Amino acid sequence: AIQMTQSPSSLSASVGDTVTITCRASQGIRSDLSWYQQKPGEAPKLLIYSASSLQLGVPSRFSGHGSGTDFTLTISGLQPEDFATYYCLQLYNYPRTFGQGTRVDI
Amino acid sequence: QVQLQQGGAGLLKPSETLSLTCSVSGGSFSAYYWTWIRQSPGKGLEWIGEIDFSGTSNYTPSLKSRVTISVDSSKNQISLKLTSVTAADTAVYYCAHEVGGIDYWGQGTLVTVSS
Repeated sequence: AIQMTQSPSSLSASVGDTVTITCRASQGIRSDLSWYQQKPGEAPKLLIYSASSLQLGVPSRFSGHGSGTDFTLTISGLQPEDFATYYCLQLYNYPRTFGQGTRVDI
Repeated sequence: QVQLQQGGAGLLKPSETLSLTCSVSGGSFSAYYWTWIRQSPGKGLEWIGEIDFSGTSNYTPSLKSRVTISVDSSKNQISLKLTSVTAADTAVYYCAHEVGGIDYWGQGTLVTVSS
């Protein structure tokens, strides 16, 4: 199975900051990667698909980049509602595998 | 707009079989992949498996011997069965819809395994 390694596992930030989360795949996955935001007690929410495509309705401060093995999620101008846990997921092959998550808090 | 409504028992004893359903409304039931994902308390997300309309399924290796995902197209419903549960299977279970990314999620069902 492809291993997805996310870093950092947690980070502290302030409103207005720009934060970047990294996801590295153990083998090349083209651009078959998506990013999710999860708040406590809620189901995850799709932010980015195909590595860099913004899901409909997601604010443009979220952006994704990368292909092959290295990917980033950037939040430009952190808002109070962005404090949450973020996950990457590879959809290149089976089994699908998630990164371990990055908690973003104040 | 796809909507996923989950149902099933939330409290099981060790060795019992977990059985959850996911009723799909809106969208095209036959067009996409239907997925089950779980999240143990305080932990990350774990992909369990997936099925398409034709019934072709894929499972994560660690659960493959115990899990079955099926589809009932007459009811627009997807089902998850996990046999011989233990406390390690205690988690919130989500059904979800995948096309390019996992864009629609059920509300989640907390399943607790306890004697």
